[in-house]
Amino acid sequence: EVQLLESGGGLLQPGGSLRLSCRASGFTFSDYAMSWVRQAPGKGLEWASTIGNSGVDTYYADSVKGRFTISRDNSKNTLFLQMNSLRAEDTALYYCARSTLVSGRGYFHHWGQGTLVSVSS
Amino acid sequence: DIQMTQSPSSLSASVGDRVTITCRASQGISNYVAWFQQKPGKAPKSLIYAASSLQSGVPTKFSGSGSGTDFTLTISSLQPEDFATYYCQQYESYPLTFGGGTKVEIK
Repeated sequence: EVQLLESGGGLLQPGGSLRLSCRASGFTFSDYAMSWVRQAPGKGLEWASTIGNSGVDTYYADSVKGRFTISRDNSKNTLFLQMNSLRAEDTALYYCARSTLVSGRGYFHHWGQGTLVSVSS
Repeated sequence: DIQMTQSPSSLSASVGDRVTITCRASQGISNYVAWFQQKPGKAPKSLIYAASSLQSGVPTKFSGSGSGTDFTLTISSLQPEDFATYYCQQYESYPLTFGGGTKVEIK
């Protein structure tokens, strides 16, 4: 059974930094691209970042580019999101998601339960 | 960027009703569309991928169709457990984008 367990969320002030983690189990982690998707309170889903299975290829939404860094440790089955220069608008539940490739494109097949990040002065 | 315009944003329906949700992409995306169900306080759940392929374990009352720019999610006979918010998402190209969501409520 695929399991994704996020951690690292918390309450912090604008300008602060935080590192989220997502521990994966139930599949061969190094075979799959992984992503972070966030959801502000009462709002819809917003893709934040994706990393390829080897860690070489990374992609970011404009809203987080230059402030967030996605990475992974395939030896530890863990995905990370380093979040710097945090803003109030980064307040959200952050989900870790595993992609499944179909016809050369990956869709979000499995989701974790999320970790909450709150940015407020 | 590819915009995904989802409609309606909310709807009220009765148990047993047939419900259709639509999503329009701002440019052609072949069939690279997924649909998700999200219940309050829960993570999204994958229902449909590749526009019309049913995720394993998802009831056959859910179906998806479309290609190019216009896509639909249909629930053939709404049941109490189907009241939730539904999202479409394109994965043809980055940035990956979601529709705004459709909240399905009890009439």
